[in-house]
Amino acid sequence: SQQGEEDPQALSIQEGENATMNCSYKTSINNLQWYRQNSGRGLVHLILIRSNEREKHSGRLRVTLDTSKKSSSLLITASRAADTASYFCATSRGMRFGAGTRLTVKP
Amino acid sequence: GAGVSQSPSNKVTEKGKDVELRCDPISGHTALYWYRQSLGQGLEFLIYFQGNSAPDKSGLPSDRFSAERTGGSVSTLTIQRTQQEDSAVYLCASSSQGMDEKLFFGSGTQLSVL
Repeated sequence: SQQGEEDPQALSIQEGENATMNCSYKTSINNLQWYRQNSGRGLVHLILIRSNEREKHSGRLRVTLDTSKKSSSLLITASRAADTASYFCATSRGMRFGAGTRLTVKP
Repeated sequence: GAGVSQSPSNKVTEKGKDVELRCDPISGHTALYWYRQSLGQGLEFLIYFQGNSAPDKSGLPSDRFSAERTGGSVSTLTIQRTQQEDSAVYLCASSSQGMDEKLFFGSGTQLSVL
């Protein structure tokens, strides 16, 4: 399959805690991207990591990529209630998305 | 335009009717994608355009679904003889180049087939 598969399907944490979600894929890629979706409408691009990169940071986001394991992780540090959303990964091979991880951050 | 624009925002139709959904990508973006998202589900890829051609339309679920893109810009997704299972949010996204660059999404069209 060309698509990314996220896990867990759902994650519930308290404000201030860190949230980690994972993405696995099966084909070779040029890059992997993470997106956020609020309220079931348009997705917003968060971060892109290229196949020759192992880790990338953007604000409270940290993404890692392990091409040997064909997996990526997204870490959100010091989570806020506003981070409540669904998070999706997609690979450059076809820009297919998985079912996403539904993150709930409780105040 | 400033962002990806989709219209209509909401569409209610009767089973058996045809519908057209429109996507206006960011000016200059050559790549355009259509996705479908059923309630609480992930994004289902439908079709990818590069310019006016569709090198990947493997996600179109049946021959009732078709899409075109003209002038390397606006795209329309047409669903003929709509069925209740077609009810979903239809999302359009564009990017500046090919499949390697980040996508900018529209707000989607919520299609309800009664």
